[in-house]
Amino acid sequence: DTAVSQTPKYLVTQMGNDKSIKCEQNLGHDTMYWYKQDSKKFLKIMFSYNNKELIINETVPNRFSPKSPDKAHLNLHINSLELGDSAVYFCASSLAGGGPYNEQFFGPGTRLTVL
Amino acid sequence: AQSVTQLGSHVSVSEGALVLLRCNYSSSVPPYLFWYVQYPNQGLQLLLKYTTGATLVKGINGFEAEFKKSETSFHLTKPSAHMSDAAEYFCAVSDPGGFKTIFGAGTRLFVKA
Repeated sequence: DTAVSQTPKYLVTQMGNDKSIKCEQNLGHDTMYWYKQDSKKFLKIMFSYNNKELIINETVPNRFSPKSPDKAHLNLHINSLELGDSAVYFCASSLAGGGPYNEQFFGPGTRLTVL
Repeated sequence: AQSVTQLGSHVSVSEGALVLLRCNYSSSVPPYLFWYVQYPNQGLQLLLKYTTGATLVKGINGFEAEFKKSETSFHLTKPSAHMSDAAEYFCAVSDPGGFKTIFGAGTRLFVKA
């Protein structure tokens, strides 16, 4: 039974297109995140949500718009895709946001390739 | 601001040898520290975490880490490497009051037969 799932696993698209990545967690967690991992494996937080409310937006271009319809889902929509958006995007969740409760459970990742 | 530095982007050991992956942190408040492992084409999974209390933390797959406040370190060790340990390892620090975890740049562990 998958704890954090993401779809799709692979996404190949042309520059300028709009795409979405979906994330769902069945752990009953309050907090969800989006991370971007570049080709050098560097992992950078993009957004964090707590109880459907945006808590952190890490200077991400406004072409990226997260949406949390409920606590179990956090989707990521990207407009006007650029070459530099090519990366692996990970969704994660944690029980809560602070300190010791911040043990995170990661999805399998979505590899986005922009041509 | 919190930060994490992992010393060595690549570490290579022989099967059966000691694994030592280094992590130093910077935090103005008592930190919460984590080690995660990422196998190829997978998401990260938690190896172990330090919150408060015992400074020697045991994790899964025989890994452990020791929190040393005086050295601001949280190095990861395993007495005997196995081929299946080959992966990317990330040290991370969490903001006690917020919703942000800072990850180190990662250390790729290679295990030679």
